[in-house]
Amino acid sequence: AQSVTQLDSQVPVFEEAPVELRCNYSSSVSVYLFWYVQYPNQGLQLLLKYLSGSTLVKGINGFEAEFNKSQTSFHLRKPSVHISDTAEYFCAVSDKGGGSYIPTFGRGTSLIVHP
Amino acid sequence: ETGVTQSPTHLIKTRGQQVTLRCSSQSGHNTVSWYQQALGQGPQFIFQYYREEENGRGNFPPRFSGLQFPNYSSELNVNALELDDSALYLCASSSLGTGDYGYTFGSGTRLTVV
Repeated sequence: AQSVTQLDSQVPVFEEAPVELRCNYSSSVSVYLFWYVQYPNQGLQLLLKYLSGSTLVKGINGFEAEFNKSQTSFHLRKPSVHISDTAEYFCAVSDKGGGSYIPTFGRGTSLIVHP
Repeated sequence: ETGVTQSPTHLIKTRGQQVTLRCSSQSGHNTVSWYQQALGQGPQFIFQYYREEENGRGNFPPRFSGLQFPNYSSELNVNALELDDSALYLCASSSLGTGDYGYTFGSGTRLTVV
């Protein structure tokens, strides 16, 4: 079974500053990794995913994430945030070869962008 | 392509009642998963349906049950509602077997049990 730890429950940042949202996972097998964003009163939207290949993954809205197998991490970064990036961000992991590839989600990190 | 639609958007039920939530999956997707998201928490996996069969289940009691129909739409049924069942229920569709492991989520049904 896999688990996900999002180390920060809330990250406040000023507009145009860089941001990093941290995610660590545990699993006994190889994994797929995901970041989702949830705006207020909405469902989750896929930001990016790591399936294989290059460990640096680029997603929508200028976000990117880097898979670090030795540190079992998949941190999300953006070089310059906007007010509109204020939302809840969820990291998720699913086991490769599990058949159903059901993702397990972290508890979320609330990104708050101040003007 | 159409996204995932859920109905109703909001619902208030009394403890002990039964509820049915509905989900239409994204066009071309063959798998539907249901998640429960309590306030301030991440989504918790309830179960997944693939080709009308349950394909995985999380740590939820049997009073949570589901169905998937031939058009890949789905229902989540909860019997004997408890106050702790109050949450946002999310439906997500995906394409098992195609190599695309991302989920497309609906906007959810907000269930309040009083």
